[in-house]
Amino acid sequence: GAGVSQSPRYKVAKRGQDVALRCDPISGHVSLFWYQQALGQGPEFLTYFQNEAQLDKSGLPSDRFFAERPEGSVSTLKIQRTQQEDSAVYLCASSILGAISYEQYFGPGTRLTVT
Amino acid sequence: QQQVKQSPQSLIVQKGGISIINCAYENTAFDYFPWYQQFPGKGPALLIAIRPDVSEKKEGRFTISFNKSAKQFSLHIMDSQPGDSATYFCAASKTQKLVFGQGTRLTINP
Repeated sequence: GAGVSQSPRYKVAKRGQDVALRCDPISGHVSLFWYQQALGQGPEFLTYFQNEAQLDKSGLPSDRFFAERPEGSVSTLKIQRTQQEDSAVYLCASSILGAISYEQYFGPGTRLTVT
Repeated sequence: QQQVKQSPQSLIVQKGGISIINCAYENTAFDYFPWYQQFPGKGPALLIAIRPDVSEKKEGRFTISFNKSAKQFSLHIMDSQPGDSATYFCAASKTQKLVFGQGTRLTINP
């Protein structure tokens, strides 16, 4: 595809359920990022992969959040035992270069609502 | 600690006018400063970006002005159009990780 795709686009989870959010980056992009965007706020960094290596997970808010990119392409963000404060839009972005700050292209996001 | 501060929170401009959004940053290690445009229900879209070795960059109707000594940068949208109505985010980065401002909701009145 031409851009970053994410699925599902919308997810409603009951508090305590586990969820998995998928990101398909632009083909050939080395770097992949996850951000969390609360309503009316700017995106906040969660974690970053270069190929299959998770180089920075400093933004993950708790050990309930886990991300993986096992083959260096598709990535999954998993949230265990969801809480209401996890309700947000989860954005995935990819970038072609790995070593320097460069253009990041965002997907449409997954809107997670925890009830 | 808010590393990137953006103002104003909201802005209303008449069609054909100039829209100006400002950002200030704290970390002098930042080396990449992009601006993103976001429409409701969509992901942020990269508009224009600058590195600290230049003071201005222009792409079409969009211009970034960068003041390294003041640690400030701004987005100017010339000849603003109703289709420019969206939320705009500035950001800064040093090692891939983007730090975003709080966003500016821009409305262009026809």
